[in-house]
Amino acid sequence: GQNIDQPTEMTATEGAIVQINCTYQTSGFNGLFWYQQHAGEAPTFLSYNVLDGLEEKGRFSSFLSRSKGYSYLLLKELQMKDSASYLCAVCGLLNAGNNRKLIWGLGTSLAVNP
Amino acid sequence: EAQVTQNPRYLITVTGKKLTVTCSQNMNHEYMSWYRQDPGLGLRQIYYSMNVEVTDKGDVPEGYKVSRKEKRNFPLILESPSPNQTSLYFCASSLGFSFKNIQYFGAGTRLSVL
Repeated sequence: GQNIDQPTEMTATEGAIVQINCTYQTSGFNGLFWYQQHAGEAPTFLSYNVLDGLEEKGRFSSFLSRSKGYSYLLLKELQMKDSASYLCAVCGLLNAGNNRKLIWGLGTSLAVNP
Repeated sequence: EAQVTQNPRYLITVTGKKLTVTCSQNMNHEYMSWYRQDPGLGLRQIYYSMNVEVTDKGDVPEGYKVSRKEKRNFPLILESPSPNQTSLYFCASSLGFSFKNIQYFGAGTRLSVL
């Protein structure tokens, strides 16, 4: 089957750095996404990786290793407003044809404490 | 402003009373999708549409209907709602469904079926 694993909860301190891991097993691979979702709100796009390596965007960076089926989201200089759920999603294959499917992890709930 | 608009935001109804949740996007996106989100189960896709008059089942389609008569609109219909359909619902759209298909989400509809 296809599945994505990420930790359920994490806690960090304001100003610190936190790394949220995501491992995946999917049929096919067409990119990995990270979304941020504040409680009761809609998910919003953070980053996209399709090639191995690090993508940096301000305080947020995302890393991908396709051979290991592994990604992480790195958040630097944590702020209270970063308290949210972080969703990892992989674009895999729906079936034996070329139809693609977005597979979602359950999300990692990050609490940033003062 | 580019956006996905869902209505209503909150809805309380009773078992068996037909309801429709509307979704509209103003970005000329081809791909639209409905998700439900439940604690511990994450985002689960209900139905999706690759273009006008093209719809298909997602992972949890039972009890739901959709239609895509116009590119911008993708309503979700519950013909006979039941309490197990109490959930947070999100509509999402993307330009297509290929590489880097960033999904833009509506604000969500919180549905309670009594």
